Amino acid sequence: QKEVEQDPGPLSVPEGAIVSLNCTYSNSAFQYFMWYRQYSRKGPELLMYTYSSGNKEDGRFTAQVDKSSKYISLFIRDSQPSDSATYLCAMTGGTSYGKLTFGQGTILTVHP
Amino acid sequence: EAGVVQSPRYKIIEKKQPVAFWCNPISGHNTLYWYLQNLGQGPELLIRYENEEAVDDSQLPKDRFSAERLKGVDSTLKIQPAELGDSAVYLCASSLDMNTGELFFGEGSRLTVL
Repeated sequence: QKEVEQDPGPLSVPEGAIVSLNCTYSNSAFQYFMWYRQYSRKGPELLMYTYSSGNKEDGRFTAQVDKSSKYISLFIRDSQPSDSATYLCAMTGGTSYGKLTFGQGTILTVHP
Repeated sequence: EAGVVQSPRYKIIEKKQPVAFWCNPISGHNTLYWYLQNLGQGPELLIRYENEEAVDDSQLPKDRFSAERLKGVDSTLKIQPAELGDSAVYLCASSLDMNTGELFFGEGSRLTVL
């Protein structure tokens, strides 16, 4: 079993929809949680970063972390065609600090 | 500010041939990473450098893979000999402060082994 599990999708939604992306993990030492966005044939870029449990909002994006359930989510409000990409959750902490462990990524397509 | 630069972007080789990838990180970033990304998968760490020291190479297949980071700046990842299963994207990333969780990735080097 992988340390980080992410539903690969693909996920297809109409423009304006609310999108929910999720990851579960097994390593209780993880404390830092990130969401990266990767466009086709590009490298990943950091979208959101949270430490420990709680919520963080940045514009149309909200990241949630529930350490008790080992579950993290990314919500995208008013989704746009430009949001079409692969979304990767990533995390680090404990003895793995400094090494990001990624989920396999969820492919999202937002239709006009 | 220039981002992480990788070359070549694309490489096609026959199996058993050698191949090398080069990475120039963002200026001032002491930490450099090489990640492997298979199709439909997330990146997996191969090796992490702090300056010129490899601090985590536990996932690097040392029988055929090697890496170096001379003078703590540029880095080279080599595969010799390449196998069919090595076909993937090799991503280089650098970071200034791991506390922010922000790694800056290059566009990757896409390897196809025939």
